Amino acid sequence: EIVMTQSPDTLSVSPGDRATLSCRASQSLSGNLAWYQQKPGQAPRLLIYGASTRATGIPARFSGSGSGTEFTLTISSLQSEDFAVYYCQQYYLWPPWTFGPGTKVEVK
Amino acid sequence: QVHLVQSGAEVKKPGASVKVSCKVSGYSLSGSSIHWLRQAPGRGLEWMGGFEPEADETIFAQSFQGRLTVTEDTSTDTAYMELSSLRSDDTAVYYCATWMVGYNPFESWGQGTLVTVSS
Repeated sequence: EIVMTQSPDTLSVSPGDRATLSCRASQSLSGNLAWYQQKPGQAPRLLIYGASTRATGIPARFSGSGSGTEFTLTISSLQSEDFAVYYCQQYYLWPPWTFGPGTKVEVK
Repeated sequence: QVHLVQSGAEVKKPGASVKVSCKVSGYSLSGSSIHWLRQAPGRGLEWMGGFEPEADETIFAQSFQGRLTVTEDTSTDTAYMELSSLRSDDTAVYYCATWMVGYNPFESWGQGTLVTVSS
């Protein structure tokens, strides 16, 4: 089973600032990495797949990068609607599909 | 536009079973399937199981083996998840999500169904 870790647990950011979230896998994913956004009381929403491809309708301020075992989600200029929890997920080796524990992005 | 609508919240006693439905619209289950995930209160996401069309079999997380049943009715575009022998730590929001066969993420999600297990 591939174990996913994320850092930091919580990121305090001011609106308009850049946010950088990290995700690490216990083995190489060959780019099969997704990012999801989850707001309170809502289902997760797919943001990024293939490590760097934005899903349909996702604003350009969200970008993903990385390869192998190290990945990054960057939000270039945080908007009020971006404060949420972000999860990374591997879909390279399954079952099981596995998720990181999440990073909460909160208002500074 | 893909839309997944799940059945409503449930309260169950320990030892009982729960069945959650997921009605799919705007999406073909041909070459793809519905998977089930859950999220305990204040916790992260956990994949439970789903149908693998190429292998023509249902696959499960080891922790749910023997307790989880996942079915799809393609005539009504509805998927079902049934979890038996419920325990208090099964209290969670249960989600259905679409998965296309191969190296793909869970693209579209249902709104979630809260299942509370309490005596």
